[in-house]
Amino acid sequence: DAGITQSPRHKVTETGTPVTLRCHQTENHRYMYWYRQDPGHGLRLIHYSYGVKDTDKGEVSDGYSVSRSKTEDFLLTLESATSSQTSVYFCAISVFSDTQYFGPGTRLTVL
Amino acid sequence: RKEVEQDPGPFNVPEGATVAFNCTYSNSASQSFFWYRQDCRKEPKLLMSVYSSGNEDGRFTAQLNRASQYISLLIRDSKLSDSATYLCVVNGPDTGNQFYFGTGTSLTVIP
Repeated sequence: DAGITQSPRHKVTETGTPVTLRCHQTENHRYMYWYRQDPGHGLRLIHYSYGVKDTDKGEVSDGYSVSRSKTEDFLLTLESATSSQTSVYFCAISVFSDTQYFGPGTRLTVL
Repeated sequence: RKEVEQDPGPFNVPEGATVAFNCTYSNSASQSFFWYRQDCRKEPKLLMSVYSSGNEDGRFTAQLNRASQYISLLIRDSKLSDSATYLCVVNGPDTGNQFYFGTGTSLTVIP
């Protein structure tokens, strides 16, 4: 158990509203990631972080921002949610810059 | 071209059968390779890392072919509990600390 939690686990929101998803880890791993998973696309990287205040874009970063003010928390924000952002969002941490472990996921529906 | 490609299946096999999955990757500089298992509506979980010399864990065998840029997973004596989606994952020095996921191969083991 890598000690990763995500909140909320489920969320329904309306187009145009801001949404923030939280990922929390208990073991002070340096690397944290946000992915989205959609049918036919697999897991796609949104943003990742390699330390406090150090983040970088992934493959599908448009429409998303992230923040990491503490080692244990990595926040993903949808500034103005759109229906195309309906997805399952997974947070992950990387152990020794190698193997990844995932949180339980957040199911987001944008109406 | 996708970084990682997998046959999505589905593979439907009887209990006790042997089944093999392949995965190809595009970045010849990739250094780390993994197989993950994902159950329906759950997070991916590490099944095994794939080493250059090949490795085995019980009924599961993973192999890497760098010349042809593919990795494989062999499952012997399939169990009902092996039913899941198997994800191929690749990392490497040229990708920073990013991981690339295949779309997954669906396996159903039939009684």
